[in-house]
Amino acid sequence: GQQVMQIPQYQHVQEGEDFTTYCNSSTTLSNIQWYKQRPGGHPVFLIQLVKSGEVKKQKRLTFQFGEAKKNSSLHITATQTTDVGTYFCAYATSNTGNQFYFGTGTSLTVIP
Amino acid sequence: NAGVTQTPKFQVLKTGQSMTLQCAQDMNHEYMSWYRQDPGMGLRLIHYSVGAGITDQGEVPNGYNVSRSTTEDFPLRLLSAAPSQTSVYFCASGERHRNSPLHFGNGTRLTVT
Repeated sequence: GQQVMQIPQYQHVQEGEDFTTYCNSSTTLSNIQWYKQRPGGHPVFLIQLVKSGEVKKQKRLTFQFGEAKKNSSLHITATQTTDVGTYFCAYATSNTGNQFYFGTGTSLTVIP
Repeated sequence: NAGVTQTPKFQVLKTGQSMTLQCAQDMNHEYMSWYRQDPGMGLRLIHYSVGAGITDQGEVPNGYNVSRSTTEDFPLRLLSAAPSQTSVYFCASGERHRNSPLHFGNGTRLTVT
């Protein structure tokens, strides 16, 4: 269930500023996925991290998985208005089998 | 490919009524699941299935039933609707292994009065 905390819940930034959201777990995660949900839309898969210490980049987005596989972060450099939405981490553990549970999400507002 | 299709998009029920939310996918995914989304609570797993004939409970299964008679379809039944079930419901599917990304439908917005 909800064993992963996602912070912050809300973030307002000026366009061009950076943004980071974090997911922190009390237990070791098997893998972690990140999703983006635009206002009024459905979650869309962004990326998956599996290995300890893994870092992946997608243009202005940088995703990290902690060395202990207990935390992850999504960093957006120089935000744009198209980045608006809610970002969720989703995780599986050794005990959850195929089920993915979601963090509570971070809602990003970008002020032009 | 249509991906994951959910119907209806909107529904209003009175307390005590029953209904079925439909979900169909055309990607031959073995794994299907239902989530509900409420403000400040993210997406919570209701039920899931790893293949036809196999279902199991997630975090918040009370008040909901599911069945999986075919690979394509995974309907969610509300037996006796309650105001606490007012929410946005998403169906998601994926390949069975744990590293598979989830593909979501467009959601059903349900209001129970």
